[in-house]
Amino acid sequence: GAVVSQHPSRVICKSGTSVKIECRSLDFQATTMFWYRQFPKQSLMLMATSNEGSKATYEQGVEKDKFLINHASLTLSTLTVTSAHPEDSSFYICSAFSGAGDSNQPQHFGDGTRLSIL
Amino acid sequence: QKEVEQDPGPLSVPEGAIVSLNCTYSNSAFQYFMWYRQYSRKGPELLMYTYSSGNKEDGRFTAQVDKSSKYISLFIRDSQPSDSATYLCAMSVLGNTPLVFGKGTRLSVIA
Repeated sequence: GAVVSQHPSRVICKSGTSVKIECRSLDFQATTMFWYRQFPKQSLMLMATSNEGSKATYEQGVEKDKFLINHASLTLSTLTVTSAHPEDSSFYICSAFSGAGDSNQPQHFGDGTRLSIL
Repeated sequence: QKEVEQDPGPLSVPEGAIVSLNCTYSNSAFQYFMWYRQYSRKGPELLMYTYSSGNKEDGRFTAQVDKSSKYISLFIRDSQPSDSATYLCAMSVLGNTPLVFGKGTRLSVIA
């Protein structure tokens, strides 16, 4: 089945560091990728929608200069948390979708990246 | 009113029991309905995927969608301790639009 790989799975770093997270679709071309954030015992909250070759669309309250998203190819999207601070510590998860808007295909998720800022 | 409501539990059942999980929603434009299973510190794993109303069965899992009532369900038969996880319902208007998740229900199946 469709596989989405997310790397790294775990990051621990000092405050002020920038962290890049990669999301790759391994056996399909992802026209759209989504980035979510999940706090402990909470559900997934959408951060941004990323379409290949265009600027990401950010949800209200998500700082686009803080969370830089690049979707340079149909198999790779990256999320960079710039100048990370302890409040950015969270579980970041990407999902990828392969079809057109009305395509009867589900979204598939990566295994997430646990980010801890000291 | 939240777009998707899901009882967070926790829900504890004995091994072999039938588990019923459900979500209600308010947006009648939702067409795609999914159930994901999430183990601790892992990403969501797709269990069931349904387009529009109807039932879908896959092994021990059955998903039901009732669009007229804005209500979806997941049934797990012969539950196993390995089914212990958080179950998230999710839905979207189109396939390439963001998913709206329920809060997730924590399930424990006791051997």
